[in-house]
Amino acid sequence: EADIYQTPRYLVIGTGKKITLECSQTMGHDKMYWYQQDPGMELHLIHYSYGVNSTEKGDLSSESTVSRIRTEHFPLTLESARPSHTSQYLCASSELGWNGPNTEAFFGQGTRLTVV
Amino acid sequence: SQQGEEDPQALSIQEGENATMNCSYKTSINNLQWYRQNSGRGLVHLILIRSNEREKHSGRLRVTLDTSKKSSSLLITASRAADTASYFCATDAWGGSEKLVFGKGTKLTVNP
Repeated sequence: EADIYQTPRYLVIGTGKKITLECSQTMGHDKMYWYQQDPGMELHLIHYSYGVNSTEKGDLSSESTVSRIRTEHFPLTLESARPSHTSQYLCASSELGWNGPNTEAFFGQGTRLTVV
Repeated sequence: SQQGEEDPQALSIQEGENATMNCSYKTSINNLQWYRQNSGRGLVHLILIRSNEREKHSGRLRVTLDTSKKSSSLLITASRAADTASYFCATDAWGGSEKLVFGKGTKLTVNP
């Protein structure tokens, strides 16, 4: 079983609130990712990180921000939640291959966010 | 747009039949991976095939890769009801960033 954890699992929050979705992994992986996925739909990469103090935006524009102060922790923050942010957010991690190619990614169980 | 595109979008078969899903991508890659997602859950890695490999097996799974056509297929043999899930391919671009980009997925239903 993968050692990557997301909290909370479900969150219902009012418009305008600030929220932080937590993601932690105990595998010592350098690479971490955040994906956004609507039910039954494709995954959209919104943020990724190569390691500590490294963060990059993904392919889907997102109003969220991330930080990577510790290897094991990659939290995602929404400063002001809106109904359009309602979705499932998936966190993943993987090792950094010696020449760069991705290795197997391990996923958390996801956070299902509803903004009312 | 996404790097990988799967087809069909949905597939419904009977238990015991084989299921084949295809994935096409746009740029040169380092490797291609297949993942499975049960409804409302995170993804689980199934198999990784490198760009210099043409075929790989794991249990009832068989993956092929054709880099000249920029396509891959996932075959599940002797399907079971428990195989019901969505299946995604994922790629990373050769010489590019460390992004792992997923396709739209194929929703497989195996009827008992």
